[in-house]
Parts: sequence; structure tokens; C-alpha cells
Amino acid sequence: GQNIDQPTEMTATEGAIVQINCTYQTSGFNGLFWYQQHAGEAPTFLSYNVLDGLEEKGRFSSFLSRSKGYSYLLLKELQMKDSASYLCAVKVDSNYQLIWGAGTKLIIKP
Amino acid sequence: GAGVSQSPSNKVTEKGKDVELRCDPISGHTALYWYRQSLGQGLEFLIYFQGNSAPDKSGLPSDRFSAERTGGSVSTLTIQRTQQEDSAVYLCASSLSVTGELFFGEGSRLTVL
Repeated sequence: GQNIDQPTEMTATEGAIVQINCTYQTSGFNGLFWYQQHAGEAPTFLSYNVLDGLEEKGRFSSFLSRSKGYSYLLLKELQMKDSASYLCAVKVDSNYQLIWGAGTKLIIKP
Repeated sequence: GAGVSQSPSNKVTEKGKDVELRCDPISGHTALYWYRQSLGQGLEFLIYFQGNSAPDKSGLPSDRFSAERTGGSVSTLTIQRTQQEDSAVYLCASSLSVTGELFFGEGSRLTVL
């Protein structure tokens, strides 16, 4: 079967750092996406990892370990606007099929 | 248009009625996807279009669901004889290619009473 696990909800403080984990068990692997979704809005692309290691993009970084079936999204210098759900998705063997996690709701407190 | 446009943004209907949801993808995007998002669950794949053809309809929950795409652009998702369990946000996404990043619309929230 296909399975992606993320924590349901996390809370962090403005200005701090938070790490959102994603573990997956899928029939194949062709890359992992992170999307951000504010309440009532469209998911927007954050990052894509296909090789092991860390990809840094401003305040956001994403890490992948294919051998462990594990990824994380690291958010630094948290701002109130970072309050959103963060969705992890794995691209399996077919070119287009994505398996999605349920998302992690991140709450930022002042 | 500048982004993926979906309509209606909200639809309340009575059980047993038919509904049509529309998606206008980004101009030039050949791949188009329909997903369903229910509270507390991951995005559920419904159907994928490449151009006007749908190579993968495997995610459609039942024969009450159908979708078409015309002119390689606008797509319509139709749900016949709606049931309460059809209540969800229906998201459309498009991409320039099958391997590219997805651009999502803001979704159509369907409530079946």
C-alpha cells in the first residue's frame, strides 16, 4: 500500500525554528514535494527533493533521505504568516501520480 | 488567466441533485488534475487529463462522477445524484508537463444537505 505520515498539528513561537517531519512507504519514488496551504486557499509549491540531502530556499529548507523514507521541512525565523497547513506528497513510479499526506497544521504564537 | 480558476467557489445542494464544477487551467498547461480534499485527510486523486484525454480515471469514487476537458483547456467535473459523503473541497491543478510542479485553484467547496 501507499502511506504518508505527518503530524496532525504543531505549535511554534514567532521567530523560532520548527521542523515538520514526513515519513513515507510507497511502491516507488520519483521525488517528494512540500506545499503550503493557508486556510481556504490553494496549496502553493514550496520545494521538491529527488536526491538525498538538504535543499535551502530562503527561510525554508527541505531534507530527504530515500533510504529511510523520510523528509522534513525546516522553517526558520517564523512569522505569523507561516501559520498554515504543510502538505507532503510523494511522486510514485508513474510520471504524474502523487500520494499526499494529510497535512500538518502549523500554529504560530506571538 | 494568471492562475487556475475554479467555479463556483461554494456550492450548497440538496441530496440527489446534480452539480457541475468548472476548472480553467493556466494557459498552455497540458496536464490537468482533479483532487478531493476532506477535513483531516490527504488530497484524494480523482482524475488526470493530458490534453483532452484522461489516461487515468482510477480515482473517481463511483459512476456518479464524470469529468471532461475540451479544447485542451477548461475541464468540468460532474457529480450526479449527489450524496452527503460527496461534501468536500474539490481542487483542480494544472502543470506545464506531467513532471512539473502543480498549480492549484482555490477549490470549489461542495456541501450536500
